[in-house]
Amino acid sequence: NAGVTQTPKFRILKIGQSMTLQCTQDMNHNYMYWYRQDPGMGLKLIYYSVGAGITDKGEVPNGYNVSRSTTEDFPLRLELAAPSQTSVYFCASSYSAASGSETQYFGPGTRLLVL
Amino acid sequence: QQQVKQSPQSLIVQKGGIPIINCAYENTAFDYFPWYQQFPGKGPALLIAIRPDVSEKKEGRFTISFNKSAKQFSLHIMDSQPGDSATYFCAASGPSSASKIIFGSGTRLSIRP
Repeated sequence: NAGVTQTPKFRILKIGQSMTLQCTQDMNHNYMYWYRQDPGMGLKLIYYSVGAGITDKGEVPNGYNVSRSTTEDFPLRLELAAPSQTSVYFCASSYSAASGSETQYFGPGTRLLVL
Repeated sequence: QQQVKQSPQSLIVQKGGIPIINCAYENTAFDYFPWYQQFPGKGPALLIAIRPDVSEKKEGRFTISFNKSAKQFSLHIMDSQPGDSATYFCAASGPSSASKIIFGSGTRLSIRP
């Protein structure tokens, strides 16, 4: 199993440009998550999904959109990039979270720089 | 109420020492407290986790101590090694339809040879 894979690894965007961060998992996990990690700020949840066709906002959703058309894929869309979106983005997945104790498995991250 | 406060922000320990990282929470509905370890350039990975019905959990050189009444928990690393140098995140989650994890701000640990 490859686990959680993310592409690209690094990207530079100009202000106002758009892009899609790709995330794929091959563990047949129901739950998927997008986080951003800023220095000294921990991980902030952007969006999450509990299954195909179902998504919901996390703590910091403004400026982002997601979709979940399949169990495996959970892309994150930035429509109008802003310098405040410069960060490292992590995708994660878990089998189920009904008990509140399922391990989240993280991808390697995408480093995004908006200039 | 949803915050998890973590300290210190950074920590330097000599090899063989016992680094201790502390976390505090406010939401008494939290019932799962994992610790994640992150190496540079990598995603976080689950290290060890505890539930509030026990006061301590050990896995190898890593120990979580949990104080339910104080709403605090801590990570101890016994006989620390340079390979333990990483960023450590405490976290908390509670029973919900998606069990979103609330992460602490992280501790950058450096173990000197």
